[in-house]
Amino acid sequence: GEDVEQSLFLSVREGDSSVINCTYTDSSSTYLYWYKQEPGAGLQLLTYIFSNMDMKQDQRLTVLLNKKDKHLSLRIADTQTGDSAIYFCAEGVPDSGYALNFGKGTSLLVTP
Amino acid sequence: GAGVSQTPSNKVTEKGKYVELRCDPISGHTALYWYRQSLGQGPEFLIYFQGTGAADDSGLPNDRFFAVRPEGSVSTLKIQRTERGDSAVYLCASSPIGTVNTGELFFGEGSRLTVL
Repeated sequence: GEDVEQSLFLSVREGDSSVINCTYTDSSSTYLYWYKQEPGAGLQLLTYIFSNMDMKQDQRLTVLLNKKDKHLSLRIADTQTGDSAIYFCAEGVPDSGYALNFGKGTSLLVTP
Repeated sequence: GAGVSQTPSNKVTEKGKYVELRCDPISGHTALYWYRQSLGQGPEFLIYFQGTGAADDSGLPNDRFFAVRPEGSVSTLKIQRTERGDSAVYLCASSPIGTVNTGELFFGEGSRLTVL
């Protein structure tokens, strides 16, 4: 698919909020996802949002969706050092059997 | 096991050789996916199985790549005449019937392939 764009790197201090942004491509995408990848571990689904929603909150995670601009963001409140990882934005389209189209990932570094 | 299992975790081979990578999905998951992740990139879709059949193989880069899932469970990704550009981490994911409609995928840790 076409490119899902993400900023490549973000550094925050422990306790601050992190905001990771993503621009997706397919207006017919039904679900949008945030996956987390830690060193030596498989991709883990953090959260997802249905395309008819504007916002979804799940504990420290807040997802905002601007469908008009095809912009997705993930906010992590009270970021901890354990949140350091690579975060991938992905879009899913039903017709493709939900073969997800991933961005290149944002590497989040949380410093004490 | 509880998660998606992939073997081998690491495979080093020489250019031109044939390799097989195995994926054992979570029991009962009907959908199975193969992705490829090159260094510094996001996962790139290769192929998707629903049961035994390949429902979408549009991501396979060329005819050197082939995947099977004969009994609707374990899948094998086969790469013929490997090239250095095939070096990557090959990820397998599965999903149960209940989440196929949401696309929530459960990923294995991947098989790292290095072609010398």
